Amino acid sequence: DTAVSQTPKYLVTQMGNDKSIKCEQNLGHDTMYWYKQDSKKFLKIMFSYNNKELIINETVPNRFSPKSPDKAHLNLHINSLELGDSAVYFCASSRGRGSSYEQYFGPGTRLTVT
Amino acid sequence: GESVGLHLPTLSVQEGDNSIINCAYSNSASDYFIWYKQESGKGPQFIIDIRSNMDKRQGQRVTVLLNKTVKHLSLQIAATQPGDSAVYFCAENPYNQGGKLIFGQGTELSVKP
Repeated sequence: DTAVSQTPKYLVTQMGNDKSIKCEQNLGHDTMYWYKQDSKKFLKIMFSYNNKELIINETVPNRFSPKSPDKAHLNLHINSLELGDSAVYFCASSRGRGSSYEQYFGPGTRLTVT
Repeated sequence: GESVGLHLPTLSVQEGDNSIINCAYSNSASDYFIWYKQESGKGPQFIIDIRSNMDKRQGQRVTVLLNKTVKHLSLQIAATQPGDSAVYFCAENPYNQGGKLIFGQGTELSVKP
């Protein structure tokens, strides 16, 4: 009965590779997000989708490309991975896209680029 | 620029004591504020929220205070327990920005038995 799930939980890869992280929510929410948490635990939003439409893109390098095949899924594809991409990536979802909607977070994917 | 900052990066309290975690925010357009708890290896978990038209909200053992005059937010945990040990984040939700949350850096709460 997991609400927001992510796969994989851990991802270790080499510089220059391309990788994807998947996210699924079974809450029936319309809005999904990707956040990045760095080594100092600072959390910053990357993207947000509402009903498969991109609504937030926070100056993320274009090597990062989110894809939402349907409103229950938001995947993150990263091309040409760099050392600085190492972080924990969290997916989240909320019922709506305005303020005042609680966001539910997934367990995170720890990406390590070597 | 936009930022939500926390005054103390770490806080150590004795079990049973009350804990207070503080947060300053800078975006006057924010109308919704949330406290999240993040345990090791897990995602942030919602604790309590408050809208900008309120100055206090209480939950079970937790209270959030909002002072819009000085742009300050605090989280009070009563009778702190070992299970409360975690990193606590405040986040602000600016009006009309698509639900974007701006997080502070976090305060690590350690509860000594």
